[in-house]
Amino acid sequence: SAVISQKPSRDICQRGTSLTIQCQVDSQVTMMFWYRQQPGQSLTLIATANQGSEATYESGFVIDKFPISRPNLTFSTLTVSNMSPEDSSIYLCSVVTPDRDEQYFGPGTRLTVT
Amino acid sequence: LAKTTQPISMDSYEGQEVNITCSHNNIATNDYITWYQQFPSQGPRFIIQGYKTKVTNEVASLFIPADRKSSTLSLPRVSLSDTAVYYCLVGDISGGSNYKLTFGKGTLLTVNP
Repeated sequence: SAVISQKPSRDICQRGTSLTIQCQVDSQVTMMFWYRQQPGQSLTLIATANQGSEATYESGFVIDKFPISRPNLTFSTLTVSNMSPEDSSIYLCSVVTPDRDEQYFGPGTRLTVT
Repeated sequence: LAKTTQPISMDSYEGQEVNITCSHNNIATNDYITWYQQFPSQGPRFIIQGYKTKVTNEVASLFIPADRKSSTLSLPRVSLSDTAVYYCLVGDISGGSNYKLTFGKGTLLTVNP
C-alpha cells in the first residue's frame, strides 16, 4: 500500500498568483500522477510526473500553466500558475505501487481562486 | 482508451445488495477493470479490480462476463456509510507509458435508512 500526503490541504488565492502543491509518498513509487476534480465533476488526469524527466501532459494541459517537478521517487510538486477562478478545483496526487496492482490517491488540495 | 458508461445515480436501502453495472464495449485485450469509491472531500479509494470472470474481496465482488464488454460491482448488505460515488475504470495497468486510468462520470449511490 501507499500513504500519500498533500500540502496544503486547502488554500484561497488571488487571481494572477501561483500556488505550488506538494505530494509526499511514504514509499518509493515509479508512477505518480496529478488529477483535477472540479466541483461536482469527475477526475481529470492532468499529467504523469516522471522522475528525472519532464512530465507528460494530457490534452488540454500545458507545462507553462501546470509545471510539475519530481526530484525523487517519493515526492512531486504541481504548480498552478497565473491562476484564474476557473482553476478553482481539487487537485489530487496519485501513485501506483511497484507491483502495479492498485492506484492510490492523496486527500487532495482544495483550491479556491478569487 | 476504452470509454465507460454507468448509471448517474442509484438508490438503495440499508441491508440490501447493490449491483452497479458498467458498460465498456471497446475494452482492449490488455485492459483491466477497476472500481473506486469516493466520499465527499476525499480522494478515490480502490475497491476491486479484475480481468475476467469473478473477483471477490472483503468489500465487494466484481462480475465480468466472457466478452468483457461490461462489468458489475456487487456490494453486499450496504449501510449508510456506503453512500458515495463509485467509478468504473478501464485501462492498461501493465506499466510503462500505457498505464493510464481515465475516470468516467461515476455513479452516486445513496443508501437510505
